[in-house]
Amino acid sequence: KAGVTQTPRYLIKTRGQQVTLSCSPISGHRSVSWYQQTPGQGLQFLFEYFSETQRNKGNFPGRFSGRQFSNSRSEMNVSTLELGDSALYLCASRGGDLATDTQYFGPGTRLTVL
Amino acid sequence: KQEVTQIPAALSVPEGENLVLNCSFTDSAIYNLQWFRQDPGKGLTSLLLIQSSQREQTSGRLNASLDKSSGRSTLYIAASQPGDSATYLCAVRVGNTPLVFGKGTRLSVIA
Repeated sequence: KAGVTQTPRYLIKTRGQQVTLSCSPISGHRSVSWYQQTPGQGLQFLFEYFSETQRNKGNFPGRFSGRQFSNSRSEMNVSTLELGDSALYLCASRGGDLATDTQYFGPGTRLTVL
Repeated sequence: KQEVTQIPAALSVPEGENLVLNCSFTDSAIYNLQWFRQDPGKGLTSLLLIQSSQREQTSGRLNASLDKSSGRSTLYIAASQPGDSATYLCAVRVGNTPLVFGKGTRLSVIA
């Protein structure tokens, strides 16, 4: 079974630009979550989608948005990039049972904002 | 608000040593607890998941225990190897909410 895939793996942008990151979950998984990881803040939750509906949202500004498609693939968009948005963005997927389902992570997208 | 703490933040041990990583959480009403491994610049690899009704889980040289009442979990690594060098993170899930992560323990196993 293929794992969680994320594209692109690396991205360099300049301040003010926008960026879209993509995540394909494990086949059969309907939940996709996004996290931002920085050395100072650790792993911070961005949002979770389940069957195309946003189920949870973290404490990030409105510049960060996401969506999920009918095939469970998800995209995350960041508009008006700031230097502080430089981070590793991780996507994770799991099945439907909260108590028993392991969360599987993709390799991440390394975003650098210049 | 759930908080997860991992101690120590960094650990260096000689190859072959058995070691214990600690994780504590403030809200004991958890659904499950997961241990992950992260290599530098990479994604997270799931190691073990312990459901709230379980006391421990084992996978190879890894054993994770859970004591919900005291809000603690430990990850025991037997006969450590240089390939075990990585950052180890624990995360808990409370209800229908996102996983809450600790900041991790950076492990170095010296050959």
